[in-house]
Amino acid sequence: AQSVTQPDIHITVSEGASLELRCNYSYGATPYLFWYVQSPGQGLQLLLKYFSGDTLVQGIKGFEAEFKRSQSSFNLRKPSVHWSDAAEYFCAVGAFRSGAGSYQLTFGKGTKLSVIP
Amino acid sequence: DTEVTQTPKHLVMGMTNKKSLKCEQHMGHRAMYWYKQKAKKPPELMFVYSYEKLSINESVPSRFSPECPNSSLLNLHLHALQPEDSALYLCASSQESGTVYNSPLHFGNGTRLTVT
Repeated sequence: AQSVTQPDIHITVSEGASLELRCNYSYGATPYLFWYVQSPGQGLQLLLKYFSGDTLVQGIKGFEAEFKRSQSSFNLRKPSVHWSDAAEYFCAVGAFRSGAGSYQLTFGKGTKLSVIP
Repeated sequence: DTEVTQTPKHLVMGMTNKKSLKCEQHMGHRAMYWYKQKAKKPPELMFVYSYEKLSINESVPSRFSPECPNSSLLNLHLHALQPEDSALYLCASSQESGTVYNSPLHFGNGTRLTVT
């Protein structure tokens, strides 16, 4: 069965500092991987996704993520954090559901990012 | 602004009430989803509709009844809920169900439900 682990429940960084949010996955096949962001009181917004090709993927809002198969990781990074980046970040894996004949998302538990001005 | 619209934004209901949550999208997507999100938890899949047919029901209690009148609309009918059903209910849509990479999910802002 697929699973996603986000080891950090809460991270606090200063504005302008770099950021790395960790994500580890478990999935038997080549995974579809995603990062979503959720601001307070809002729905989830897709930041970036990966399936194959270049292991460094660029997303919206200046975020990037690197896929490392050997470490089963898909960490999210940003070189300089802005106060508006404070939110909850969810890593997700798309796993095939044989009964439904479709892929569905399994989310990690999320990492809350706080930004100090 | 989100392209998936959910109404109402907030809902308070008693355990004997009947209420409905509504979701609408006009992106031409053919798959629609209901997720439940408890505080400080990730979203949990409840139902998936593909081409207006229910394709996934994650063993959700029958007090939650989904309906997809057409490809743009998705309802969640609520009856005899329990206080533990209080949560943020998120609707999402995608071009197709099952091609999660090529047609990623677009989420609404959710309905905050409180059951008293």
